[in-house]
Amino acid sequence: GENVEQHPSTLSVQEGDSAVIKCTYSDSASNYFPWYKQELGKRPQLIIDIRSNVGEKKDQRIAVTLNKTAKHFSLHITETQPEDSAVYFCAASKEGGSYIPTFGRGTSLIVHP
Amino acid sequence: DGGITQSPKYLFRKEGQNVTLSCEQNLNHDAMYWYRQDPGQGLRLIYYSQIVNDFQKGDIAEGYSVSREKKESFPLTVTSAQKNPTAFYLCASSADGYYGYTFGSGTRLTVV
Repeated sequence: GENVEQHPSTLSVQEGDSAVIKCTYSDSASNYFPWYKQELGKRPQLIIDIRSNVGEKKDQRIAVTLNKTAKHFSLHITETQPEDSAVYFCAASKEGGSYIPTFGRGTSLIVHP
Repeated sequence: DGGITQSPKYLFRKEGQNVTLSCEQNLNHDAMYWYRQDPGQGLRLIYYSQIVNDFQKGDIAEGYSVSREKKESFPLTVTSAQKNPTAFYLCASSADGYYGYTFGSGTRLTVV
């Protein structure tokens, strides 16, 4: 089955710095990679996703890159703000209702004002 | 509440007691899932259902049971066989595994 590794487990940055979270996956057939943000005590929410037919996707201060050859994808947050503090989860999936996404273990991002 | 509602928000269970967590969605999603979240453990899949009247065990199904009698509802029962049930439980739904999940707001279960 699929295996997703996520690093680092904790990331501490100063406000205004950039933050990068990396995930690797094992199944080359995976073709959908969402990222979720979970604030303390709240539900995870989808913040950005990428499919295997593109290498990069941006949405304001966040971007995701995908390297299919190396089987890794990354979340980039620029100009971090205290409200970016949360746990971020990556996941890997593939098309078809019978395939269950595999999640990474999460990265706790702390943005210091 | 984003189309998927979990209740109650907090639940306390006595030793030897079964409790049921509710999950309802109005998104017309076929698939529904239950995850358990412990600190530092990420999201662990308990059960999932991709069609009414059918469900499958996830990675940590022991001590839990589910039913899927209606497309909109996927309740989770934590039985007395689950020896360490204190955790945050998240329900999710999706139109397909290829698309992102919509999560409920979670139920925090505590054994007293």
